[in-house]
Amino acid sequence: GAVVSQHPSWVICKSGTSVKIECRSLDFQATTMFWYRQFPKQSLMLMATSNEGSKATYEQGVEKDKFLINHASLTLSTLTVTSAHPEDSSFYICSARWSNEKLFFGSGTQLSVL
Amino acid sequence: GENVEQHPSTLSVQEGDSAVIKCTYSDSASNYFPWYKQELGKRPQLIIDIRSNVGEKKDQRIAVTLNKTAKHFSLHITETQPEDSAVYFCAASSKAAGNKLTFGGGTRVLVKP
Repeated sequence: GAVVSQHPSWVICKSGTSVKIECRSLDFQATTMFWYRQFPKQSLMLMATSNEGSKATYEQGVEKDKFLINHASLTLSTLTVTSAHPEDSSFYICSARWSNEKLFFGSGTQLSVL
Repeated sequence: GENVEQHPSTLSVQEGDSAVIKCTYSDSASNYFPWYKQELGKRPQLIIDIRSNVGEKKDQRIAVTLNKTAKHFSLHITETQPEDSAVYFCAASSKAAGNKLTFGGGTRVLVKP
């Protein structure tokens, strides 16, 4: 149980395009999902908290218009990187809360913006 | 907000020896402390967690201890094996902070055969 699926696993795009990343909880319902960004050899930095049926909560310094989050159902949250630029290249990883505390992670998406 | 410090940043041990990673946290309201193992290019995997009402928890070769007074917790891996080589992250969260996890900086563990 507690499986989180994330797609795509990697994406290469041109500067200025938008990229959508999906995060699904496969065998449980997740009212809350979290989106993290991880640079090489660094820790996970929380970007935003995705709440089903309401607006996402963004961490300080994260542009909400740049990183659009939609949590339309109890099993799906999406992160759209709008007008991506090379500095947005990173490993993005989602997580879903199970049993009110335990957090399980998706497999991550490596984004490369040319 | 919560701040989690993790040490050491790198740890090299001989196969069969023990490895210890230490973390400190700043928010006394934190009450949940998980540990994650992340292999290169893969997702963090929850390996053990502890709540603030428990001082120690063990699962086979892995154990975690918590000192609430000192606000620090540690991961102990005994009889290390090459497959234990990975990056380990500690984290802390509290209900008051919406159960958001704050991660430590990570420890890169290398187990030499």
